[in-house]
Amino acid sequence: QVTLKESGPGILQPSQTLSLTCTFSGFSLSTYGMGVGWIRQPSGKGLEWLANIWWDDDKYYNPSLKNRLTISKDTSNNQAFLKITNVDTADTATYYCARIGTIAAILLFDYWGQGVMVTVSS
Amino acid sequence: DIQMTQSPASLSASLGETISIECLASEGISSYLAWYQQKPGKSPQLLIYGANSLQAGVPSRFSGSGSGTQYSLKISSMQPEDEGDYFCQQSYKFPYTFGAGTKLELK
Repeated sequence: QVTLKESGPGILQPSQTLSLTCTFSGFSLSTYGMGVGWIRQPSGKGLEWLANIWWDDDKYYNPSLKNRLTISKDTSNNQAFLKITNVDTADTATYYCARIGTIAAILLFDYWGQGVMVTVSS
Repeated sequence: DIQMTQSPASLSASLGETISIECLASEGISSYLAWYQQKPGKSPQLLIYGANSLQAGVPSRFSGSGSGTQYSLKISSMQPEDEGDYFCQQSYKFPYTFGAGTKLELK
């Protein structure tokens, strides 16, 4: 059974660094082909993909967030992490982590966490 | 970036009605297209991948079709539990992009 759960600070101030953790079970990020992605959703709005990390430590980032994102993993503890530097109110959103599955060479977010709400406010 | 234009933005359907949601990509995405359902306060759930493959456990009234730049999601008989938001997503090129969403309500 695959599960993922996000955790984060809840509230932080502009210019701070947001640190998010995704703790998962039912799969391993050391297994060939496995990956974890981060996606966010401002309240009442659409979804925005942020970053992916793969079993071989390959990483992809959304260039719209320029160099503010850093994704990493701790394979032994089944965790993935996302840091966003220099946050502002536009980063207020629910942040999701999701497993990246591969079927017939098609990448898909097949399991999602429940999401963690993050508010940036002074 | 590949833009995903989703329509309609909202839709109201009667019980048992067949509905379709469209997604238009700004360039060809070779069927690297997924559909997700999101219920209020919940995370998105994968419905369709590869444009027309049904994810395990998803009711067969859901189906996907399309190729090139045009894709659609069909619900063949609207049920109360189908209310929610629906999003398309391309995984053909980075950055992955999502459609703006369709809110589906039961009339």
